[in-house]
Amino acid sequence: EAQVTQNPRYLITVTGKKLTVTCSQNMNHEYMSWYRQDPGLGLRQIYYSMNVEVTDKGDVPEGYKVSRKEKRNFPLILESPSPNQTSLYFCASLGKHYNEQFFGPGTRLTVL
Amino acid sequence: AQKVTQAQTEISVVEKEDVTLDCVYETRDTTYYLFWYKQPPSGELVFLIRRNSFDEQNEISGRYSWNFQKSTSSFNFTITASQVVDSAVYFCALSEYTNAGKSTFGDGTTLTVKP
Repeated sequence: EAQVTQNPRYLITVTGKKLTVTCSQNMNHEYMSWYRQDPGLGLRQIYYSMNVEVTDKGDVPEGYKVSRKEKRNFPLILESPSPNQTSLYFCASLGKHYNEQFFGPGTRLTVL
Repeated sequence: AQKVTQAQTEISVVEKEDVTLDCVYETRDTTYYLFWYKQPPSGELVFLIRRNSFDEQNEISGRYSWNFQKSTSSFNFTITASQVVDSAVYFCALSEYTNAGKSTFGDGTTLTVKP
């Protein structure tokens, strides 16, 4: 089954404690993205990747890091989380010919 | 910079009514992609449609139809004979043509369909 998986689905952590949210897709897609969703603000793109070892900033990259060492994986790293990073995070991959963007189920992060 | 505006924050209709969700965008690119997504109360994001900027033909899929007008930078979405299951947040999005991974979303329109 074609899918994008994210882990964990829910995470509560404290300020400053490094965390990683994993994302994996099984469709051999080149493009992958991370978004955050906050009430009333829609989805805002954090980072995206065009292929292995190629990443670029989205609209809200501050406080986040990403890596793309393998085509299927695109982890999101928060080196020193802060309460303003409390949000719902979605990973996505863009299908062949850019016909469809597949989203993961979301990760709800709370930073205390 | 790209921008997508969904001016309708919330819409409430009664079942079987037709409803149009507006989407207006700004971009300096001459070619680009436009998308609509649905987010039902369960929270997942569901792709509905992609449109190339050089293809202005309108599209219909069952009760859903999309009206793309490049002259007014709009990509509106109409649901005909709405149903309770259409209740969701709907997002319009814009992507660069030469860099399709770079996306800008609107703030979304919450549609409530009452029985």
